[in-house]
Amino acid sequence: GDSVTQMEGPVTLSEEAFLTINCTYTATGYPSLFWYVQYPGEGLQLLLKATKADDKGSNKGFEATYRKETTSFHLEKGSVQVSDSAVYFCALSDHTDYKLSFGAGTTVTVRA
Amino acid sequence: GAVVSQHPSWVICKSGTSVKIECRSLDFQATTMFWYRQFPKQSLMLMATSNEGSKATYEQGVEKDKFLINHASLTLSTLTVTSAHPEDSSFYICSVTTQDFSNQPQHFGDGTRLSIL
Repeated sequence: GDSVTQMEGPVTLSEEAFLTINCTYTATGYPSLFWYVQYPGEGLQLLLKATKADDKGSNKGFEATYRKETTSFHLEKGSVQVSDSAVYFCALSDHTDYKLSFGAGTTVTVRA
Repeated sequence: GAVVSQHPSWVICKSGTSVKIECRSLDFQATTMFWYRQFPKQSLMLMATSNEGSKATYEQGVEKDKFLINHASLTLSTLTVTSAHPEDSSFYICSVTTQDFSNQPQHFGDGTRLSIL
């Protein structure tokens, strides 16, 4: 079945550092890929998405490119802020039943 | 603005109590909603798919008699944790299906933190 493997955390960074969170997936078809962010005590918010190979999703300085050849969707941000401290989830949807398969989540803490 | 409203956001109750959590779709009619459970520092675990006007579909290992789901209208699904015990303490999140893969397939509520004493 479909699955998502995500870099384990926690990740602790200093403000303005470069952030990368690795995500790879296994799927039989051509899924859509997502990054969600969860702030403490809250639900999930969509951060960015990509629906086909070579698409680049971007939002709030975060980027991720759908790489079919490496089945990856790594999340990057060039200069993180304290407000980026959150848990980040990589997810995929295979377009059949609207379900999402989530990675384990990566906790990111940015220190001032 | 919010697309999904989940209520209550936090509930503390005694062991043996039944607790109802509501999930409302605010902007559109939702024939399908999902209920998730999240343990501390872990990912979301899908519990069940809530279908308007029919029985919910539960994931393997989830007790349907323990976690009652009712989806009586196109804008409301409820999850009732019956005779709750401390092991049921968790963060419960609902989502609403947009049925639109070009945007995002689900919008999430803000979650309900359930603490059973």
